[in-house]
Amino acid sequence: AQTVTQSQPEMSVQEAETVTLSCTYDTSENNYYLFWYKQPPSRQMILVIRQEAYKQQNATENRFSVNFQKAAKSFSLKISDSQLGDTAMYFCAFMKHVGSNFGNEKLTFGTGTRLTIIP
Amino acid sequence: DTAVSQTPKYLVTQMGNDKSIKCEQNLGHDTMYWYKQDSKKFLKIMFSYNNKELIINETVPNRFSPKSPDKAHLNLHINSLELGDSAVYFCASSQERTKYFGPGTRLTVT
Repeated sequence: AQTVTQSQPEMSVQEAETVTLSCTYDTSENNYYLFWYKQPPSRQMILVIRQEAYKQQNATENRFSVNFQKAAKSFSLKISDSQLGDTAMYFCAFMKHVGSNFGNEKLTFGTGTRLTIIP
Repeated sequence: DTAVSQTPKYLVTQMGNDKSIKCEQNLGHDTMYWYKQDSKKFLKIMFSYNNKELIINETVPNRFSPKSPDKAHLNLHINSLELGDSAVYFCASSQERTKYFGPGTRLTVT
């Protein structure tokens, strides 16, 4: 079974600064996907970024980027030029690749990091 | 247009009652899910359906029964509600390995 660990329950950072959220995972799979989801106070789950394990290049989405270290099973999220709207719970999630067996691809979530951006 | 919608957003009910949560997606996805987020914010999968067929049933009590009348809908019916069922329930649909979540339904059992 896969496990996802987020060791930082809470973090806070000044607006405009850069912050890195850590995530490690444990799996024996070779093909898988990693995700970061954001859950603001509205409780909507919003996809931030996605990484395919077979890709060596780190994924980026505007101010959000990841540092994917497959050998170390580490998947950290960097938020640059942080904004007040980035205040949210951030969840790291793992999903193993199951080929064409759609519906059998479940997300395993970490426990989340509550990020507060200070004005 | 809302991609994945759930009704109701809030549900308060007494122990022992039966309630349903509805989910609809207009993304044309074949696969839909129910996830539960407990009071500590931990998210865990409950069920998945692909083309109206149950694929995952993650050791959920029999009191929970999902129903998929068509590919765009996945409803969750809960019988004999218990205090421990209080949580936020998220519906999701997926295409190409990315899941899109609904706004969640906060269920409170008193």
